Amino acid sequence: RKEVEQDPGPFNVPEGATVAFNCTYSNSASQSFFWYRQDCRKEPKLLMSVYSSGNEDGRFTAQLNRASQYISLLIRDSKLSDSATYLCVVNRYRDDKIIFGKGTRLHILP
Amino acid sequence: DGGITQSPKYLFRKEGQNVTLSCEQNLNHDAMYWYRQDPGQGLRLIYYSQIVNDFQKGDIAEGYSVSREKKESFPLTVTSAQKNPTAFYLCASSPPPRTGGTEAFFGQGTRLTVV
Repeated sequence: RKEVEQDPGPFNVPEGATVAFNCTYSNSASQSFFWYRQDCRKEPKLLMSVYSSGNEDGRFTAQLNRASQYISLLIRDSKLSDSATYLCVVNRYRDDKIIFGKGTRLHILP
Repeated sequence: DGGITQSPKYLFRKEGQNVTLSCEQNLNHDAMYWYRQDPGQGLRLIYYSQIVNDFQKGDIAEGYSVSREKKESFPLTVTSAQKNPTAFYLCASSPPPRTGGTEAFFGQGTRLTVV
């Protein structure tokens, strides 16, 4: 099992819809979690951190379930500009590795 | 302005040549990383360094080499031993993840093509 797994998509979603991504991780060691966004042919950029209690930033909500070892990202009222690849990222403390999932491609349709 | 700079943006290599990709950061980050990304794929870790004069192999280190002589610099050499080097290479830096989990900052990437 890969350390970080995501559904590669693509998710084709009409504008205004709500879309959810999940990501599972296999290592239960101390680590922290993030969602990054990557636009086509660009570098990844941090979208948001993921906290145990869940956190929200505008239309975006991230949640962490340590017992089931998955994190999620919810995008409400999706915009055309949300079209991108969303990367699930784990920062592993014991060896300072930053591990990326393969990403989930999202296409918002007008 | 603080940031991380990769150069060149585009690089063409003949088969059998070694090429070196530059990565410089002025964010005072201890940790630096090199990733490779192939079309439609995620980021795969090549090498990473937690401190000057030390580095570790990632998942796909074969055919690559690095050095970390200065905190600011982490160049990657793609050697002739790398059989399929055409890819998008991304360099990142961050404070050490074990310090509490903070974001990684990326350079704009280098697109390497073998001709």
